[in-house]
Amino acid sequence: ILNVEQSPQSLHVQEGDSTNFTCSFPSSNFYALHWYRWETAKSPEALFVMTLNGDEKKKGRISATLNTKEGYSYLYIKGSQPEDSATYLCAFRSGYSTLTFGKGTMLLVSP
Amino acid sequence: DAGITQSPRHKVTETGTPVTLRCHQTENHRYMYWYRQDPGHGLRLIHYSYGVKDTDKGEVSDGYSVSRSKTEDFLLTLESATSSQTSVYFCAISESGGTPAQETQYFGPGTRLLVL
Repeated sequence: ILNVEQSPQSLHVQEGDSTNFTCSFPSSNFYALHWYRWETAKSPEALFVMTLNGDEKKKGRISATLNTKEGYSYLYIKGSQPEDSATYLCAFRSGYSTLTFGKGTMLLVSP
Repeated sequence: DAGITQSPRHKVTETGTPVTLRCHQTENHRYMYWYRQDPGHGLRLIHYSYGVKDTDKGEVSDGYSVSRSKTEDFLLTLESATSSQTSVYFCAISESGGTPAQETQYFGPGTRLLVL
């Protein structure tokens, strides 16, 4: 079983704050790293898939970076809005496995 | 939204009874997955399928079986439900096992199962 860790477990910020959280994964045999956004009472939705060391992806105010050599990815949200409140999941894929999901970071953005 | 439906959406059953959950897709995607979601554990893979009649175990497969007789349907069966199988079950699909982008998974709405 692959170990995919996300931190912090939860985060509470004020509207307009920028925030970031971390996904750590095994650095050996890397294949891909996925980020998903999961709103309460809905299903997870794909944000990014990242494959190359140094990859940087952006979607509106959300961006992600990838370091495969040290085994981590950061997700950044610039100017958080209440609608950004959700759980953010990362999922790691090695060369020999299906996706392994982290437990997620729960973000709450207060107006 | 990806065309994925799950049925039933909610179910209450008693310990020892068999339960079958259905996942149906209209995307003709090759891969289908069953996950369970529990507090403190995130999403854990139960079983997955990479084609009709081709299935494999995931991390938490004990007590579960699956079948895929058609591309569009993936069934999850709890042969004899236990209280530890109370959970929210999510089905997911992905286009293929080819490029990482093709492995992006699209999730169904979930089935909430309570085993008394």
